Amino acid sequence: DAKTTQPTSMDCAEGRAANLPCNHSTISGNEYVYWYRQIHSQGPQYIIHGLKNNETNEMASLIITEDRKSSTLILPHATLRDTAVYYCIVRVGQGSSNTGKLIFGQGTTLQVKP
Amino acid sequence: KAGVTQTPRYLIKTRGQQVTLSCSPISGHRSVSWYQQTPGQGLQFLFEYFSETQRNKGNFPGRFSGRQFSNSRSEMNVSTLELGDSALYLCASSWGSGQETQYFGPGTRLLVL
Repeated sequence: DAKTTQPTSMDCAEGRAANLPCNHSTISGNEYVYWYRQIHSQGPQYIIHGLKNNETNEMASLIITEDRKSSTLILPHATLRDTAVYYCIVRVGQGSSNTGKLIFGQGTTLQVKP
Repeated sequence: KAGVTQTPRYLIKTRGQQVTLSCSPISGHRSVSWYQQTPGQGLQFLFEYFSETQRNKGNFPGRFSGRQFSNSRSEMNVSTLELGDSALYLCASSWGSGQETQYFGPGTRLLVL
């Protein structure tokens, strides 16, 4: 089973920041938080990942709480093309035999509206 | 650098037939993982190959099998197809030795009639 809980759906106005929350209260010390998104019927697209520090790349920012039990993906200026299902995944770290296995939950459907 | 490619993109089969799907990873990547996506079950892990060896396996029946070649290309095979095998089959590649990011291909849409 997925170790994350996400809201089923969210709306965001075009041009505004989209903040997608994720709870992972049972996360272990060596587990990373990954975010992917899937635009209808396409393969999932990697967005960002982190262990305990906040991370930023050209697509998004990832804010992880100090206790690591939750995180937020931030799309700073959402566009219509950001409409997708967003998956938050907790993934075991290096040294585990399960590093190649991503366990997807149901994700959050983000609808960006004009 | 070219992304992950999967062939064919679409496939129609009938019950009882078998099917082989192909995945070419990003150049230099040695790990390939396969996933099945259905409306009812979502995205589920099938198996992972690294250096021609199966490293991880999900909870699927033995009708689902795979292999990896020396050039890291991978194939998965489903024998004795059932209607419930209709799905989007996705492969993902990574460099492979640890916590590397997985990059997904566009998927193969399989319809079983």
